[in-house]
Amino acid sequence: SQTIHQWPATLVQPVGSPLSLECTVEGTSNPNLYWYRQAAGRGLQLLFYSVGIGQISSEVPQNLSASRPQDRQFILSSKKLLLSDSGFYLCAWSVRPGPAYGYTFGSGTRLTVV
Amino acid sequence: KQEVTQIPAALSVPEGENLVLNCSFTDSAIYNLQWFRQDPGKGLTSLLLIQSSQREQTSGRLNASLDKSSGRSTLYIAASQPGDSATYLCAVRQGTGNTPLVFGKGTRLSVIA
Repeated sequence: SQTIHQWPATLVQPVGSPLSLECTVEGTSNPNLYWYRQAAGRGLQLLFYSVGIGQISSEVPQNLSASRPQDRQFILSSKKLLLSDSGFYLCAWSVRPGPAYGYTFGSGTRLTVV
Repeated sequence: KQEVTQIPAALSVPEGENLVLNCSFTDSAIYNLQWFRQDPGKGLTSLLLIQSSQREQTSGRLNASLDKSSGRSTLYIAASQPGDSATYLCAVRQGTGNTPLVFGKGTRLSVIA
């Protein structure tokens, strides 16, 4: 069966420090991969998505970046965190194509920038 | 640009009541629609998925309907229980399915024992 792993679960980082969040999927190949952020009192905001190795689409210009070094690995990074980067980060995957298939989400990373 | 709206933003009901959560979307050319549940501080759990060609899906006490022409979906929860308390999110997938999900802001449900 397919599973998605996301870590760490919780992270407290000082302003200006770097960030690396990792997401891996097991039990499938060629998934679409996504990074979403959920800020307090706001909805889910799509940050990046990837349809293949090295292919990254950015939805929101900001100081975050994403990479997909392997088929089932998706990494969210920042060189220098801002206070506004605090939030709940969720990774998700979906198969392509297939209207009968939806998204599966990881358990999320709570990031607090202090 | 697709926009998804969920009403109400919050809902409190006594245990045992049947309830309906609403979701509307502006572009009817959807690929599928998915309802999720999110417990505080947790990830999203998929509840039901309705393909664009379907009218409804059922799982246990949950029933989701889809009316593409009017841009609406409803999530019906029968005989609500305190364990149903969570935030419920509606999300739509556009076109041919390669575009990402667009989410509503959710309905926060509290079921009071």
